[in-house]
Amino acid sequence: GENVEQHPSTLSVQEGDSAVIKCTYSDSASNYFPWYKQELGKRPQLIIDIRSNVGEKKDQRIAVTLNKTAKHFSLHITETQPEDSAVYFCAASIRASGTYKYIFGTGTRLKVLA
Amino acid sequence: GAGVSQSPSNKVTEKGKDVELRCDPISGHTALYWYRQSLGQGLEFLIYFQGNSAPDKSGLPSDRFSAERTGGSVSTLTIQRTQQEDSAVYLCATLLAEATDTQYFGPGTRLTVL
Repeated sequence: GENVEQHPSTLSVQEGDSAVIKCTYSDSASNYFPWYKQELGKRPQLIIDIRSNVGEKKDQRIAVTLNKTAKHFSLHITETQPEDSAVYFCAASIRASGTYKYIFGTGTRLKVLA
Repeated sequence: GAGVSQSPSNKVTEKGKDVELRCDPISGHTALYWYRQSLGQGLEFLIYFQGNSAPDKSGLPSDRFSAERTGGSVSTLTIQRTQQEDSAVYLCATLLAEATDTQYFGPGTRLTVL
């Protein structure tokens, strides 16, 4: 069945360093890939997304890359700050026949050390 | 309202009791999803409503779980004869289909089964 694998499960970086989180999906029909940030005790919030017709997208310190051939996509956070500490989830979505099905990765707990 | 709301925010119940969790979507959002998030875990898909179509119930873990969406708006997730393993945060998310692929999450209901 459809599956999204996410690595690593935990990641610690020094403030100012970069962080990279990787996801691999199984269904080649997936065409939308959002990333969510979930701070402790709060709801997941969309931080960036990418569609299958684009290879890379950047928004200030965060960027996402997509390799459709390899079926993987990555989140890159540069110049990390303590407030980036959170759990990050990737997802792969298939939009087909008016329906939208999402499969989420298992999450990455990012700790930015001051 | 401006966002997805859920009630109650916290629910403590005794094993064997039934509970109802409510989700109020963003006005006009035609797709609605329920997820379960156990402590420190990822987002487990439960059920998905899309307009007037039959819901996708493929993620419901047992027949003790059911959900309905009345009038294409408010949704209720019901858990019958609750078990301790049902303890988790239950998140609702909605999406304005045809216009965007972006899910917006509610704050969740933290369910504790004693």
